[in-house]
Amino acid sequence: IQLTQSPSSLSASVGDRVTITCRASQGIGTSLAWYQQKPGQTPNLLIYAASTLHSGVSSRFSGSGSETLFTLTINYLQPGDFASYYCQQLKTYPFTFGPGTRLEIK
Amino acid sequence: QVQVVQSGAEVKKPGSSVKVSCKTSGGTFSRYAISWVRQTPGQGLEWMGGIIPVFRTLNYAQQFQGRVTITADESTTTAFMEVSSLRPEDTAMYYCAVDTSLWPAGSDFWGQGTLVTVSS
Repeated sequence: IQLTQSPSSLSASVGDRVTITCRASQGIGTSLAWYQQKPGQTPNLLIYAASTLHSGVSSRFSGSGSETLFTLTINYLQPGDFASYYCQQLKTYPFTFGPGTRLEIK
Repeated sequence: QVQVVQSGAEVKKPGSSVKVSCKTSGGTFSRYAISWVRQTPGQGLEWMGGIIPVFRTLNYAQQFQGRVTITADESTTTAFMEVSSLRPEDTAMYYCAVDTSLWPAGSDFWGQGTLVTVSS
């Protein structure tokens, strides 16, 4: 199963709302996770099962979607949100990642 | 709270092998889904393969099949990932990622990463 993400990069300002899209090449139900990775750091799980917020993650993050189309929305962007974001499907092995979206400060 | 600690950085010659370890503590090792994820410099995340010790299930991404071996030692709660026939393009950060949920949901604990440099 292949995943594509759009946009590949995105410039936004503190306080903005942004949406990142992840598309799967075939239906995966809600078996999708989102990760945040800051430069020089390990990835952190944000959302699993497409829309469930991982423990300790800010409610400014939300996920939605099913089957082939998913979105990650970040409300009220904070300085610490500027990072790369990856989706991952966990429906079928291999558990592929999307190519990532780099969120930069405008 | 699960902790995941990987072995240190390695420098290898082309054609050699490298074995990276991933020690977990604070949880039930045998039930976890342990994945290995590669990240080449400046690039994205690449799922290499994974193991669930209690079910003895092993899966590899096609591009790593035959050159990567993943194992787990329940007695020491340590997983291992070995890459053979190393090439310069295998220079990357290798992560051990642990999914502690009862079904594949996403890796909620990650090791610090092991930088493998392949150079003559």
